[in-house]
Amino acid sequence: KAGVTQTPRYLIKTRGQQVTLSCSPISGHRSVSWYQQTPGQGLQFLFEYFSETQRNKGNFPGRFSGRQFSNSRSEMNVSTLELGDSALYLCASSDPDRMNTEAFFGQGTRLTVV
Amino acid sequence: AQSVTQLGSHVSVSEGALVLLRCNYSSSVPPYLFWYVQYPNQGLQLLLKYTSAATLVKGINGFEAEFKKSETSFHLTKPSAHMSDAAEYFCAVILNSGYSTLTFGKGTMLLVSP
Repeated sequence: KAGVTQTPRYLIKTRGQQVTLSCSPISGHRSVSWYQQTPGQGLQFLFEYFSETQRNKGNFPGRFSGRQFSNSRSEMNVSTLELGDSALYLCASSDPDRMNTEAFFGQGTRLTVV
Repeated sequence: AQSVTQLGSHVSVSEGALVLLRCNYSSSVPPYLFWYVQYPNQGLQLLLKYTSAATLVKGINGFEAEFKKSETSFHLTKPSAHMSDAAEYFCAVILNSGYSTLTFGKGTMLLVSP
């Protein structure tokens, strides 16, 4: 099975712009979660999507949004970028038919806001 | 609220020495616990998980962890460190049954010297 694929791997954006990141989960996995990783705050949960519905959300401003498509692929969007949004964004997929099983992570998208 | 505490942001060992990375959790109910490893510019890879079966859990690459409810701990150990073990290690917990949301510790960077 192919692993979790995130695109692009690297991205440079200017303050005020918006950005869309993409995540393709492992085949058969219907749950996709997003995390932000920064040196200061560590790994923080953004949101989780299951069967095209957001079922859990972390403590991030409304500028951060996401969606999931019928093929389970997910996108996250950040509008009005700020310098503090520079981070590694990680996507993880899991198999909801196996309760509390592990999450499989992609390699991440490194976003730099200048 | 659930939280995970990793003692020591950096741990240094010599090649061949015992590796001990500490993790304590705060939870009023038995959690699901995980250890992940992250190599530079990579995503997270699962080392092992505790899901209320055996308290001593064996993982990949010779790592193991013991769940101690009385101490609310889930420390990661490896009898003999290899240079290739140098990476950042994260302890994580899922509290809510049926969800996949991970709460991570701040991480411990393992340094291995020859």
